[in-house]
Amino acid sequence: DAKTTQPPSMDCAEGRAANLPCNHSTISGNEYVYWYRQIHSQGPQYIIHGLKNNETNEMASLIITEDRKSSTLILPHATLRDTAVYYCIVRDPTGNQFYFGTGTSLTVIP
Amino acid sequence: EPEVTQTPSHQVTQMGQEVILRCVPISNHLYFYWYRQILGQKVEFLVSFYNNEISEKSEIFDDQFSVERPDGSNFTLKIRSTKLEDSAMYFCASKGDTDTQYFGPGTRLTVL
Repeated sequence: DAKTTQPPSMDCAEGRAANLPCNHSTISGNEYVYWYRQIHSQGPQYIIHGLKNNETNEMASLIITEDRKSSTLILPHATLRDTAVYYCIVRDPTGNQFYFGTGTSLTVIP
Repeated sequence: EPEVTQTPSHQVTQMGQEVILRCVPISNHLYFYWYRQILGQKVEFLVSFYNNEISEKSEIFDDQFSVERPDGSNFTLKIRSTKLEDSAMYFCASKGDTDTQYFGPGTRLTVL
């Protein structure tokens, strides 16, 4: 089962930062936080993941709170192509599968 | 950048027919997965495959499903006798040394 809670939808103005929150209050010490996105029924696309420290790559930044019970995915300058469903997934690396919840549907508005 | 590829992009079949969905994982990856997504619903795990055997399967993956890596490059999902409720997007994924799974673009299966 998905162990995360995300708002069902969010809007963001084009060019502004999109901040997508995720609660994972029952996360265990060895579980990572992963973010994927899905653009209109395409395959889920990996964005970023982290364990404790904040992470940044060419796509996004991931901010994980010190208690690890929540995180925020930041798209620094949202474009129309960032309109998608964003999934926050808590994952035990010893497991096989990713549990996808319902995610946040982000709409970037011109 | 290496990608997971899937064929066909869309498969239409009659109820009761067998279908084979094909995937070419990223070349140096050793772990393979199938997921499905019924229209409007969540992405659901079906099966994981490593070292030529199933390592985990979900309740959805019943006896009508099978997976195979026939030739060292392809990874296939076979549905023996399709049902209307098998209509869905089927996604293949693979992973290498890291824990990140990379997904293909999917095959849309329509069962009539």
